[in-house]
Amino acid sequence: DGGITQSPKYLFRKEGQNVTLSCEQNLNHDAMYWYRQDPGQGLRLIYYSQIVNDFQKGDIAEGYSVSREKKESFPLTVTSAQKNPTAFYLCATKDPLYEQYFGPGTRLTVT
Amino acid sequence: QKEVEQNSGPLSVPEGAIASLNCTYSDRGSQSFFWYRQYSGKSPELIMSIYSNGDKEDGRFTAQLNKASQYVSLLIRDSQPSDSATYLCAVNMRNRDDKIIFGKGTRLHILP
Repeated sequence: DGGITQSPKYLFRKEGQNVTLSCEQNLNHDAMYWYRQDPGQGLRLIYYSQIVNDFQKGDIAEGYSVSREKKESFPLTVTSAQKNPTAFYLCATKDPLYEQYFGPGTRLTVT
Repeated sequence: QKEVEQNSGPLSVPEGAIASLNCTYSDRGSQSFFWYRQYSGKSPELIMSIYSNGDKEDGRFTAQLNKASQYVSLLIRDSQPSDSATYLCAVNMRNRDDKIIFGKGTRLHILP
């Protein structure tokens, strides 16, 4: 059963704490992406990785960090430096035809 | 001009009618175009891809691409209440390191 999993589905944290969101895929896609979506807004690119051990900043990378040690995994850490971390976080992969496939998302609430 | 632009809606269409969703994009070199459907609280789901000028049909969905006008549209025939969702247009931007850029989406409401 191929797909993308994200965990947890809901996450609650206190301000000032770092938190790591998990993203795993078994689609064998090289490229992986992290987006953030705020209510009424489009998808904004945080980080992306075209291949293992390499990643690039997206449009809103400040306050976030990633790693890509395995093809299947692309975890995102939301650090205390991120000013407005409460959002819906989406992980995606991209196939050779540029089609992107999304995981179910993680809804992060920071109070 | 925004990179990928859509009317935010809501677009209200009677059940059984044709829903027409439109999108314009700024990068003349773009080659790949996508439509995603997103239900409230859920992640986007790919419903159509189109790569060449003209129409592409899949069931009740037809994607239309006009590269000269930098315009892509999605038609939904025989609209059903289950089609009520936000539809996101996405474009592979060659001038942005091949990133996929999403529009903000059009909210579609099918009236029973």
